[in-house]
Amino acid sequence: NAGVIQTPRHKVTGKGQEATLWCEPISGHSAVFWYRQTIVQGLEFLTYFRNQAPIDDSGMPKERFSAQMPNQSHSTLKIQSTQPQDSAVYLCASSWGGDTQYFGPGTRLLVL
Amino acid sequence: GEQVEQLPSILRVQEGSSASINCSYEDSASNYFPWYKQEPGENPKLIIDIRSNMERKQIQELIVLLDKKAKRFSLHITDTQPGDSAMYFCAARATGGNNKLTFGQGTVLSVIP
Repeated sequence: NAGVIQTPRHKVTGKGQEATLWCEPISGHSAVFWYRQTIVQGLEFLTYFRNQAPIDDSGMPKERFSAQMPNQSHSTLKIQSTQPQDSAVYLCASSWGGDTQYFGPGTRLLVL
Repeated sequence: GEQVEQLPSILRVQEGSSASINCSYEDSASNYFPWYKQEPGENPKLIIDIRSNMERKQIQELIVLLDKKAKRFSLHITDTQPGDSAMYFCAARATGGNNKLTFGQGTVLSVIP
């Protein structure tokens, strides 16, 4: 089992550019979560899918962030018009039944 | 929504001694409390968890306690080793069909040889 896979591991973008982050959950897991980690804010929930359906996006900044799960094997988090304050480690986690969440290695995003 | 407070933010202990991290939560409906360990540059890894139908759980040197009345839970690492040095996060999950975790701010544990 390869665990949760996230690509890219590192991404550097210029202010105003778009960034797309990818997550492949553990095979057979029905739930996918996105979190953001910064020194100041810690680990923050962004959004959650169950059986590919969006369940809760209450943590997502509404205007520039969007997430999709087009099939059970991957989810994407897209940030439009990136800003320096979007710099963070974006973590994807998957879960079989909702309890234990297994985290991927994260994507370290740096917006210059 | 749920909020989780975690203390202390920094903890230094001597090798072989015990380390304790405390968390409190606000939503009495929360029913699942995992603890994650995160080493520098790595992803958070689940080390132990407890559900609301339990008060105590132990896995080797890790002990978690849950006090539902006080809405507090804690992690105790007995006989700490240098390999226990890392960031530790507590989290809480509320019921209601949404499985999102609300995390504490984290504790940096340093075990001094």
